[in-house]
Amino acid sequence: DAGVIQSPRHEVTEMGQEVTLRCKPISGHDYLFWYRQTMMRGLELLIYFNNNVPIDDSGMPEDRFSAKMPNASFSTLKIQPSEPRDSAVYFCASRPRQGAYNEQFFGPGTRLTVL
Amino acid sequence: ILNVEQSPQSLHVQEGDSTNFTCSFPSSNFYALHWYRWETAKSPEALFVMTLNGDEKKKGRISATLNTKEGYSYLYIKGSQPEDSATYLCSTSTNSGYALNFGKGTSLLVTP
Repeated sequence: DAGVIQSPRHEVTEMGQEVTLRCKPISGHDYLFWYRQTMMRGLELLIYFNNNVPIDDSGMPEDRFSAKMPNASFSTLKIQPSEPRDSAVYFCASRPRQGAYNEQFFGPGTRLTVL
Repeated sequence: ILNVEQSPQSLHVQEGDSTNFTCSFPSSNFYALHWYRWETAKSPEALFVMTLNGDEKKKGRISATLNTKEGYSYLYIKGSQPEDSATYLCSTSTNSGYALNFGKGTSLLVTP
């Protein structure tokens, strides 16, 4: 298996632009998670899906952030409009329904820089 | 303790030194503790998952222990090598949800 795939790996954009991050989970995994990694706050959970349905989006910072999972093999995280404080590494992770002790499998992340 | 806390925040050791880090967590509703290793530009990689008080796990030169009663876990690296340089992330999950609660990580730099 190719593991969790994220694209793009790096994104540099200007403040006010729309940014879309993409994730393909491991085939057969029922849960998908979006995280944000910053030096100040560490790894924060933004939202997670179960069978394509958003379960907990309490970590989404504000209305500028939105996430969708139109099917079992694809999810997007969109920021519109982007701001410099959104600069971070965004990780996607997935896990199977019967995962061992909630273990998650991570993608390589998207490093976002908003100028 | 309300959240997962890791110390130290960063560590710089010489090749061959042994080192250890700490992860502290709320002991209420504890289900499992995970250690991940993250190298920049790569996927965080699972090292260990532990669930029982007194658990000890070992993988090569890296080992971990778990104390669920007092809410802490130690990660040990024996004879550090430059390739051990990474951020080590600790996370816990409770028995009431599927999300992982992460600490801020310990950034380890091993120089030759």
